[in-house]
Amino acid sequence: EADIYQTPRYLVIGTGKKITLECSQTMGHDKMYWYQQDPGMELHLIHYSYGVNSTEKGDLSSESTVSRIRTEHFPLTLESARPSHTSQYLCASSASTGVSANEKLFFGSGTQLSVL
Amino acid sequence: EDQVTQSPEALRLQEGESSSLNCSYTVSGLRGLFWYRQDPGKGPEFLFTLYSAGEEKEKERLKATLTKKESFLHITAPKPEDSATYLCAVQAVNDYKLSFGAGTTVTVRA
Repeated sequence: EADIYQTPRYLVIGTGKKITLECSQTMGHDKMYWYQQDPGMELHLIHYSYGVNSTEKGDLSSESTVSRIRTEHFPLTLESARPSHTSQYLCASSASTGVSANEKLFFGSGTQLSVL
Repeated sequence: EDQVTQSPEALRLQEGESSSLNCSYTVSGLRGLFWYRQDPGKGPEFLFTLYSAGEEKEKERLKATLTKKESFLHITAPKPEDSATYLCAVQAVNDYKLSFGAGTTVTVRA
């Protein structure tokens, strides 16, 4: 059973606020990911990390930033939220190693963000 | 660029009415094709990985198959608890990430 946790589950905030979405996993996985998902649309990768002190931007342009100071923790921060940031944010981790390995992902339950 | 197209967008079934979901893909060398199930308000849950054409995987009422251009997810005698969105994703050789389709939302009525 995968153990990956996201908080908060729901967040409604005003424009211009700084927010941090939390993601933690207890499986010791090196690889972690942030995806953005809108209703009826594909999941889009916005950030990923191969391990501590490793972060990269994904395919989808995002104004968010991430950090990876500890293996288990991969928070995502928006410095100044805007209505266009309204979306579901999904965190995932993978036990695989190396670029070519099977990327079976374990997902958290997501954070639904609404920016007014 | 890798592309994944799923059809239909939505599928309404009567309990016991078997059907199939389609996932068409283009990728520069397939490392793996993945099927996930997503329930409302939750993150996707892994179902299967397929690696090469001709491969099949089964789990309860679900069976996934793979050809060089597409994958099918067959649902045999579905039950209401099979209602969910089913996502398909591909991983290219020497690539770290998965490219996802938009999903097929399956509703099974009792």
